Amino acid sequence: AQRVTQPEKLLSVFKGAPVELKCNYSYSGSPELFWYVQYSRQRLQLLLRHISRESIKGFTADLNKGETSFHLKKPFAQEEDSAMYYCALSVGNQGGKLIFGQGTELSVKP
Amino acid sequence: EPEVTQTPSHQVTQMGQEVILRCVPISNHLYFYWYRQILGQKVEFLVSFYNNEISEKSEIFDDQFSVERPDGSNFTLKIRSTKLEDSAMYFCASSRSGGTQYFGPGTRLTVL
Repeated sequence: AQRVTQPEKLLSVFKGAPVELKCNYSYSGSPELFWYVQYSRQRLQLLLRHISRESIKGFTADLNKGETSFHLKKPFAQEEDSAMYYCALSVGNQGGKLIFGQGTELSVKP
Repeated sequence: EPEVTQTPSHQVTQMGQEVILRCVPISNHLYFYWYRQILGQKVEFLVSFYNNEISEKSEIFDDQFSVERPDGSNFTLKIRSTKLEDSAMYFCASSRSGGTQYFGPGTRLTVL
């Protein structure tokens, strides 16, 4: 079965604290994983794609095939990081659909 | 930076009525998608479209739904006879080469 699980619905941290948003996936093929972020009343925006292995806004995510995980991390959270974060798995051939996790709301308190 | 646009931002309709949701994908993109998100639930795939035909559709995408690319720029989702359970946020997305998908701001559909 193809599935993405984000176990935390809400994660609340203080400014400057480290953040880890968990994502686990289930997929028999070669996974292609993404993190999307949705700020209040805005569109889903791409944050990270595992293939690119880059750091955006201080966030990083490493694909761990052994643990089937793609956790999103940031060493020092900022108030402007408060948003909904969605982990997504691309399945099928080129142009395939995205399967989304439930989303985690990150709240960074001053 | 080019963006996917969607109109209207909010559509209210009566049960049984037809609605058309419109999307303008990014201009040099070749793959097009519709997703929906019922309040409190996850974003769900509806349909993908490439080379002027549907590439894949979900179980949700039954005979009440159709998609069209009537000209070189628009990509529409039609719901023929809306039901209460069609109330949701509908997102259009596009991709240049089938990799990263870029999303529009969404259309909130309310069926009364």
